[in-house]
Amino acid sequence: GNSVTQMEGPVTLSEEAFLTINCTYTATGYPSLFWYVQYPGEGLQLLLKATKADDKGSNKGFEATYRKETTSFHLEKGSVQVSDSAVYFCALGLNNAGNMLTFGGGTRLMVKP
Amino acid sequence: DAGVIQSPRHEVTEMGQEVTLRCKPISGHNSLFWYRQTMMRGLELLIYFNNNVPIDDSGMPEDRFSAKMPNASFSTLKIQPSEPRDSAVYFCASSQWTGGDTGELFFGEGSRLTVL
Repeated sequence: GNSVTQMEGPVTLSEEAFLTINCTYTATGYPSLFWYVQYPGEGLQLLLKATKADDKGSNKGFEATYRKETTSFHLEKGSVQVSDSAVYFCALGLNNAGNMLTFGGGTRLMVKP
Repeated sequence: DAGVIQSPRHEVTEMGQEVTLRCKPISGHNSLFWYRQTMMRGLELLIYFNNNVPIDDSGMPEDRFSAKMPNASFSTLKIQPSEPRDSAVYFCASSQWTGGDTGELFFGEGSRLTVL
């Protein structure tokens, strides 16, 4: 079946530190990959996506590269801010499968001033 | 443009009571999803509708849970009877499915359910 594995949190960083959140997946087909972010008290919102191997998704200083050979989609940011504190979810969706997503367990990021 | 609207935002009820959660998807979207979020199990897909028809309900925990989508602008998730282990945040999400690559899901703010 399909599954997504993320590093467990919480991840605690100081402002301006480098961020990496690891994500690996298994899929029965050829998936699109996503990172969603959930701020406190809110629903999830799309952060970035990549639809094929070697694609790089980027948004708000975050980026992730679709690595088919390692089945990974790690999230990175060069300099985090306090406002980046949130829960980050990696997800996959099989193409031609109706926008159904399989989510990882989520990783809580806390950024301290 | 209004996003996905869920109600109630918070619900506290006693074990055995019926709970109904409501969702209004984004106008023009043809797919609707109900997810449940807990600390222990993370984010679980409960049921998925396309064009108001349930496509995949394999995530519905048991017969106490039911979901309906009578029209393109409204869906309900009902739990009867409720149990303390149903306590969670329930999210509704909608999207536009046009075939091909997986598209973006738009989430509501969630309904936090506490069953005492």
